[in-house]
Amino acid sequence: DTEVTQTPKHLVMGMTNKKSLKCEQHMGHRAMYWYKQKAKKPPELMFVYSYEKLSINESVPSRFSPECPNSSLLNLHLHALQPEDSALYLCASSLERNNSPLHFGNGTRLTVT
Amino acid sequence: EDQVTQSPEALRLQEGESSSLNCSYTVSGLRGLFWYRQDPGKGPEFLFTLYSAGEEKEKERLKATLTKKESFLHITAPKPEDSATYLCALGADGLTFGKGTHLIIQP
Repeated sequence: DTEVTQTPKHLVMGMTNKKSLKCEQHMGHRAMYWYKQKAKKPPELMFVYSYEKLSINESVPSRFSPECPNSSLLNLHLHALQPEDSALYLCASSLERNNSPLHFGNGTRLTVT
Repeated sequence: EDQVTQSPEALRLQEGESSSLNCSYTVSGLRGLFWYRQDPGKGPEFLFTLYSAGEEKEKERLKATLTKKESFLHITAPKPEDSATYLCALGADGLTFGKGTHLIIQP
């Protein structure tokens, strides 16, 4: 088990649905991240939050909307996704934004039909 | 632009057969070279961070080393449970990952 918890583990959604992915950590980390990973590819950075403020958005389409309600929680709101958005979505956290090792959750496997 | 290249893409070893994985990098200012292990359907698991050339770190059968241009992950007398994809990454805002080495250890 990891110290970064992601829910749900699996999600199937239609292109007109709205859903949210959730991530929680209680390690006192102040930076949190969303990554997208396609099969047999490395993780790709989507968003970085530092001290609950969005620091980096890697040109992610607006159908993905991140939210950091507090220092322990990170959400990713999904709306009007495309089948090519199907992937493993990974959340990670680190003590600070730079240099610190990232600790990953086990991801949410998302399928868009 | 930061770049990370890992080789080989895949490696099949017999149990007990030691080997090394390579991670070549170019970066304007190194803020950490990270090694992760990823099992199928799981998130990457942190192994090591290296910050300066000459640095070495060890954990069980794994040893990571760093030069100014590359890092090696040495695996000594591997066991089947060491089978996984090993990812190298550069530290910055988030991580820039290489494509990984898929390692299979056969009993």
